[in-house]
Amino acid sequence: EAGVVQSPRYKIIEKKQPVAFWCNPISGHNTLYWYRQNLGQGPELLIRYENEEAVDDSQLPKDRFSAERLKGVDSTLKIQPAELGDSAVYLCASSPGLGLRETQYFGPGTRLLVL
Amino acid sequence: GENVEQHPSTLSVQEGDSAVIKCTYSDSASNYFPWYKQELGKGPQLIIDIRSNVGEKKDQRIAVTLNKTAKHFSLHITETQPEDSAVYFCAAFSGGGADGLTFGKGTHLIIQP
Repeated sequence: EAGVVQSPRYKIIEKKQPVAFWCNPISGHNTLYWYRQNLGQGPELLIRYENEEAVDDSQLPKDRFSAERLKGVDSTLKIQPAELGDSAVYLCASSPGLGLRETQYFGPGTRLLVL
Repeated sequence: GENVEQHPSTLSVQEGDSAVIKCTYSDSASNYFPWYKQELGKGPQLIIDIRSNVGEKKDQRIAVTLNKTAKHFSLHITETQPEDSAVYFCAAFSGGGADGLTFGKGTHLIIQP
């Protein structure tokens, strides 16, 4: 079974530029999460989707971050414009949902460096 | 919200010895506690988990214990091997609020040959 797929794996941009990350969850997983992991820290939740609905985006910095999961499968996280402090690893995770929402499987992440 | 503390931040053990990593949580409503292993350049990999209705769970060389009263849980790795070297994260899930996992800051486990 294929795991969570993320692309790109690495991204280097200059500040004020836009950037987008893509995630394809494990097949059949209804719940999708985006996390941000700063260097030397654990992942921190940004947003959770149940199918195509964003059910919790309270941790997403809405002035510059946006996310979508239009067909309830793959998802895109966007930053516009990027700031130096956005340098981090952006992780996508998925879970079966229903009664197994807490069991989350992570993708390899996208490593973002903002110069 | 939930707060998870993890200790130690770095742990160095001789190959073949045991390693123990400890975590505490603050939200008594938390009911699921996974452990993840993260190797350099990779995403976190789920290695074992425990639910609040169980006190201990074992899978080959790894085990997790949970003390709900004290709100702490621990990861035990026996007969450590070089491939166990990685950063380990504990996490807690409360099922309310953000419904995401709250992670500890991680433990860098170093297995000395």
